[in-house]
Amino acid sequence: DVKVTQSSRYLVKRTGEKVFLECVQDMDHENMFWYRQDPGLGLRLIYFSYDVKMKEKGDIPEGYSVSREKKERFSLILESASTNQTSMYLCASSSTRQGGNQPQHFGDGTRLSIL
Amino acid sequence: DAKTTQPPSMDCAEGRAANLPCNHSTISGNEYVYWYRQIHSQGPQYIIHGLKNNETNEMASLIITEDRKSSTLILPHATLRDTAVYYCIVRPRYNNNDMRFGAGTRLTVKP
Repeated sequence: DVKVTQSSRYLVKRTGEKVFLECVQDMDHENMFWYRQDPGLGLRLIYFSYDVKMKEKGDIPEGYSVSREKKERFSLILESASTNQTSMYLCASSSTRQGGNQPQHFGDGTRLSIL
Repeated sequence: DAKTTQPPSMDCAEGRAANLPCNHSTISGNEYVYWYRQIHSQGPQYIIHGLKNNETNEMASLIITEDRKSSTLILPHATLRDTAVYYCIVRPRYNNNDMRFGAGTRLTVKP
């Protein structure tokens, strides 16, 4: 079974803090993704990565950055946390084997509150 | 924005089959139909996907109409643990980052 592990289920931080959300997958997947999920807005893609040290902006990258130094690990960084970044953050991974027709597998999410 | 339409909610009796419909009338030839579910306070869980043939795995069956404009996810014997929001997603074959979740269907399995 694919396992995507997010370091924290719940996190409370203060405005202006630098926040790190960590994600690790154990299936040697090439692709990794960060989303946020908000009521009424569905899942929105923040950043994704197709390979080590590679990153691409998603639909809402402002205020975020990412790091992928190792294949299994993808970190999301909130440079200076703001209250509008309070949300559920979801990490996902997928393989590029078999011609790209592979599902994304998600972690259980980090519910982040910025006070 | 999502390219699928699903009913906002459905109920199902425990032990009965749950049939969840999805309309995707603008689907194109290289797009797959994926189903996920999300149980409260957890991340989305992959269920099944297909292109044009019906598919079955240990969790569910996926029935896609011949014109591919709609599909049905079938949970053959629903249990209380199947209570969740179910998402139907249309996704291009070679676009790994395109996961457009709509509002989904909230399925409630009742004893």
